[in-house]
Amino acid sequence: AQKVTQAQTEISVVEKEDVTLDCVYETRDTTYYLFWYKQPPSGELVFLIRRNSFDEQNEISGRYSWNFQKSTSSFNFTITASQVVDSAVYFCALSEAATGRRALTFGSGTRLQVQP
Amino acid sequence: NAGVTQTPKFQVLKTGQSMTLQCAQDMNHEYMSWYRQDPGMGLRLIHYSVGAGITDQGEVPNGYNVSRSTTEDFPLRLLSAAPSQTSVYFCASSYRVQNTGELFFGEGSRLTVL
Repeated sequence: AQKVTQAQTEISVVEKEDVTLDCVYETRDTTYYLFWYKQPPSGELVFLIRRNSFDEQNEISGRYSWNFQKSTSSFNFTITASQVVDSAVYFCALSEAATGRRALTFGSGTRLQVQP
Repeated sequence: NAGVTQTPKFQVLKTGQSMTLQCAQDMNHEYMSWYRQDPGMGLRLIHYSVGAGITDQGEVPNGYNVSRSTTEDFPLRLLSAAPSQTSVYFCASSYRVQNTGELFFGEGSRLTVL
C-alpha cells in the first residue's frame, strides 16, 4: 500500500533562513508520481510540483527546489531565503500509475511558520 | 474561468440530518474526487469518479454517497450526519483519468456536526 510520511509536524524559521521540508514515501509500483501542494492560511490548496518516478533530476523554481532520491524514497522540498508569505501547510502526495485506486495519497502535512 | 466551485462554504448540521455538498467544474475534467481534511491527518479520499456514470470508493467512504450524472457536477451526500463527519471537505478535479496530472481543488467546505 502506498504511504507518505511527513515527520515534521511544524517548523518555525526566521525570515531569510533556508528551510527543508521532508517527505518519505512508500510504494510497490515502479511508476509513480510525487507532488507538493501548499495550503496558505486562506485554506485553498495550491499545486507546486509534480515529479514522475523516472525523473530524478532535481528541480529549481525561483526560491523553491526539490530533491528527489529514489534510493531513500524521499522527495524533499527546500525554500531558500524564506519569506513571511511562505507561511503555510505543505503537503507531499503520491500517486501510483498502475491500475487501481486513482487517487493521491497525502502526507499529514508540515506547517511552516516564517517569522518576520 | 471559475475552476472548481464548492457550495456551501460553511454548514452546521445536527446529528442525523442529511445534506449535499455541491461541486462543479468548468474545465471538462474527466476525473473528480472528494477529500476530507482533518487535523494531523492530511487529506483522505472519500469517493472519486473517472467520468459521468462512473464512481468508486476511496479510503473513507462510509457515511457518504456520490453520483456523477454529468461531467461537470459531482455532489457529495451525507445521509445521516454524525459528529465524526465534522471536517473540511475538498472537491478536486483533474484532466487525466489516471490522476497523474495536477489536481485542481475547490476552496473547501467546512462542515460541523453537532
